[in-house]
Amino acid sequence: QSALTQPASVSGSPGQSITISCTGTSSDVGGYNYVSWYQQHPGKAPKLMIYDVSNRPSGVSNRFSGSKSGNTASLTISGLQDEDEAAYYCSSHTSSSTLVVFGGGTKLTVL
Amino acid sequence: QLQLQESGPGLVKPSETLPLTCTVSGGSISSSYYYWAWIRQPPGKGLEWIGSIYYGGNTYYNPSLRSRVTISVDTSRNQFSLKLNSVTAAETAIYYCARHTLSKVAPDYFDFWGQGTLVTVSS
Repeated sequence: QSALTQPASVSGSPGQSITISCTGTSSDVGGYNYVSWYQQHPGKAPKLMIYDVSNRPSGVSNRFSGSKSGNTASLTISGLQDEDEAAYYCSSHTSSSTLVVFGGGTKLTVL
Repeated sequence: QLQLQESGPGLVKPSETLPLTCTVSGGSISSSYYYWAWIRQPPGKGLEWIGSIYYGGNTYYNPSLRSRVTISVDTSRNQFSLKLNSVTAAETAIYYCARHTLSKVAPDYFDFWGQGTLVTVSS
């Protein structure tokens, strides 16, 4: 069982927007602005998409955005494209001895 | 561009030690802004952080693995390594190395990843 809770799957049509949630506790997501999001295509390594809740690394499309409210962080993808179909994982710093926790992952299907 | 490459055996016997090395190219492992991490992913499952090391040798480990894990660094070779003792079949996974960027508080996000290496634990 993962420390952070994500929906197992979400779907959307090309051009639409979707949001993936990531729920933790006040010891991780709610306590720090150190939430990151990763995109993983089948057979590939994860790729950093968002860091520190809402910052995009250089080269990541501005269709990807992140936010946080209380103990829940969110990743929003606007203008869905076929290439966005992938698994998405959230991660957070935690004050527990674990230091880093991941969500269980969300499979995004572009219909 | 920074690149990371995992190397090591693809098959390890149960109860033995899993050894992996990550070679960093395109940048120095001896930077004060980064830790260097190992993360694994069982087939079809999610990501699990194993541990991270600073070039000076300071380490953080996942408490669930701490008693069996050693991460070390060799700055002269720009490499860091993982040893996981007493492995079981359940630890068959893709093992990734990654750069773990520091925030003001602690290691924060993983911004560069190796391609991953599949390690199968089986007799």
